[in-house]
Amino acid sequence: DVKVTQSSRYLVKRTGEKVFLECVQDMDHENMFWYRQDPGLGLRLIYFSYDVKMKEKGDIPEGYSVSREKKERFSLILESASTNQTSMYLCASSSEAGEGTGELFFGEGSRLTVL
Amino acid sequence: QKEVEQNSGPLSVPEGAIASLNCTYSDRGSQSFFWYRQYSGKSPELIMFIYSNGDKEDGRFTAQLNKASQYVSLLIRDSQPSDSATYLCAVLPSGAGSYQLTFGKGTKLSVIP
Repeated sequence: DVKVTQSSRYLVKRTGEKVFLECVQDMDHENMFWYRQDPGLGLRLIYFSYDVKMKEKGDIPEGYSVSREKKERFSLILESASTNQTSMYLCASSSEAGEGTGELFFGEGSRLTVL
Repeated sequence: QKEVEQNSGPLSVPEGAIASLNCTYSDRGSQSFFWYRQYSGKSPELIMFIYSNGDKEDGRFTAQLNKASQYVSLLIRDSQPSDSATYLCAVLPSGAGSYQLTFGKGTKLSVIP
C-alpha cells in the first residue's frame, strides 16, 4: 500500500515562529503536493513538485515555501507563522504518467494552530 | 479560473436507497475526473476515476461523465451508513504537464439507518 507520512499530526505555534511540516512517501512517486483544507473553502493547493528540486506555486503560495531535496520527501515551510495560517495541512503524492497525476494519495494531515 | 461546483448538501438518503452526487466543471478541455471520499476527521481517499464519456461501475459505485454538458456524477447504490462522508469531485486539466487538480468543495452525504 502507498504510504504518505506526515511528521506531526498536531502542532501549536506562536505568531512569528518558523514552522516545518515534513512529508515522506514510500511509493517512488514523482509528484508531491501540499494542500490546506479549511471549512467552507475546500482543498486549496499551496505548492507542488513534479521532480526533485523542482517546485511550482499552487493557488495560495503566499506565506509558504517548500523544499524537495530527495524524491521521497517534500517539506512545507511557514517562514513566519500567522494566525490566518491555522488550518489542516494535507500532503499528497501521485505517479507521473498522464491521468495518474490525478490519483492522489494523502497523508493523515497536520493540524496547525497558530496563537 | 477553473471551477468545480458541487452542492454542499447535506444530502440525506435512507439506508438502501440510491445516493446521487453531482458535479459541474468550467474547463471544457478537462479530460480526467475523480471522486474522493473524506470521512470526518480523515484525509480524502480516491474511490473512482473516469476519463471517457459514459458510465463506469465499481461495485456499488457508478461514475457518470458527460463532457458535452461538463457534468460528472457519482451514484451510490444500496447506500449504507458507512457511506456517510463528504464526497469531493476533482478535475484534471488536459495537456502535457497538467498536475494541478481542481477540487470542488464537496457534498456531505448522510445515510440514515
